[in-house]
Amino acid sequence: QVQLVQSGAEVKKPGASVQVSCKASGYTFTTYYIHWVRQAPGQGLEWMGKINPSDGSTTYTEKLQGRVTMTRDTSTSTVYMELSNLRSDDTAFYYCARGPAYSSFSLWGQGTLVTVSS
Amino acid sequence: EIVLTQSPGTLSLSPGERATLSCRASQSVSRNYLGWYQQKPGQAPRLLIYGASSRPTGIPDRFSGSGSGTDFTLTISRLEPEDFAVYFCQQYSSSPLTFGGGTKVEIK
Repeated sequence: QVQLVQSGAEVKKPGASVQVSCKASGYTFTTYYIHWVRQAPGQGLEWMGKINPSDGSTTYTEKLQGRVTMTRDTSTSTVYMELSNLRSDDTAFYYCARGPAYSSFSLWGQGTLVTVSS
Repeated sequence: EIVLTQSPGTLSLSPGERATLSCRASQSVSRNYLGWYQQKPGQAPRLLIYGASSRPTGIPDRFSGSGSGTDFTLTISRLEPEDFAVYFCQQYSSSPLTFGGGTKVEIK
């Protein structure tokens, strides 16, 4: 079936980097963008950026520019989101979601909890 | 950046009642590129409405969306027990995509 499956929870120290993966299945990987959205515990949703799996082009939110990198591996239909120089306020659930470039999201990954703590 | 303001923050209602949730944008949302999501604890958001008023396949017709420009509304005609959750609006007409702060619908 059509789904996005994310990697497992991570615990990192401040200043470290984290990589979260999102594996797509059940559809043609290059047809849709993959967006990343995060949610601090008990808080709202924040769009982080998107990647076009077809050509690897990316758009990041200005707030995270310089710390976030999204890449893809077409051979495994997997998108990766790396966030560097982690701070305590990066503690959140990170979700990948599928859609066109400008889109609402009908398909989401299950979420990955990233905890940043010394 | 388009800022979305949702109101009220919390809505206390009983099953069977009507829920009306508001989402106001700081500038016009073009092409009515406005979506609504439901989120329950421990789950990813679920898309209820796209294009301000369209329902994806499988979403019950008690959920309806309306509005245009800067003012949008999600209406739940008769609350079912499973509808008590947090609801978010999202605009996707311009980058960065943004979400509202959410409205919690709780059991009175």
